[in-house]
Amino acid sequence: DAKTTQPNSMESNEEEPVHLPCNHSTISGTDYIHWYRQLPSQGPEYVIHGLTSNVNNRMASLAIAEDRKSSTLILHRATLRDAAVYYCILSLNSGNTPLVFGKGTRLSVIA
Amino acid sequence: GAGVSQSPSNKVTEKGKDVELRCDPISGHTALYWYRQSLGQGLEFLIYFQGNSAPDKSGLPSDRFSAERTGGSVSTLTIQRTQQEDSAVYLCASSFQTGNYGYTFGSGTRLTVV
Repeated sequence: DAKTTQPNSMESNEEEPVHLPCNHSTISGTDYIHWYRQLPSQGPEYVIHGLTSNVNNRMASLAIAEDRKSSTLILHRATLRDAAVYYCILSLNSGNTPLVFGKGTRLSVIA
Repeated sequence: GAGVSQSPSNKVTEKGKDVELRCDPISGHTALYWYRQSLGQGLEFLIYFQGNSAPDKSGLPSDRFSAERTGGSVSTLTIQRTQQEDSAVYLCASSFQTGNYGYTFGSGTRLTVV
């Protein structure tokens, strides 16, 4: 199975950019890269996903390495509300296999 | 509805009783997923539906767990003869269809077996 590797935890100062890394060296050509986050006491929330090109939306940006073996979720200005567990997940079988959540990265934001 | 609705939000039950957890997905979403999350742990996949069919039941922990979906909409997860290790937050998500569409999660049902 294509797996992802993320740091267990990261810390950021409020209003600073945050770069959350994810390694997925065994990714296959049809696997999309998805990011979700889970705020305390809530269900996960979709953040962004992409295949090869970098992606931007109102929440974040996703930078995908040219060889697709790694990606980075970028929060442009961290706020206290961004403190959450961030999950990097590969969708397998062209997305027809349910997402498997790993342990993610716990992001702390310091005021 | 505007989001995925789960009920009840909290359920306390005695060991050995049966419980039913309900998920009402976003209207028009054909794919529906059940996960559970034990305290301080990650999400564990249980089962998913495409329409009313469940192509993958491999994540159900035991034969005490079952799920159904009717009318391509509401889904019910049933746990028979509950055990203390069943205590967890049960999360439901829906997506437009299978494939690379974002999941929208509900707020979950917190189940406590005493």
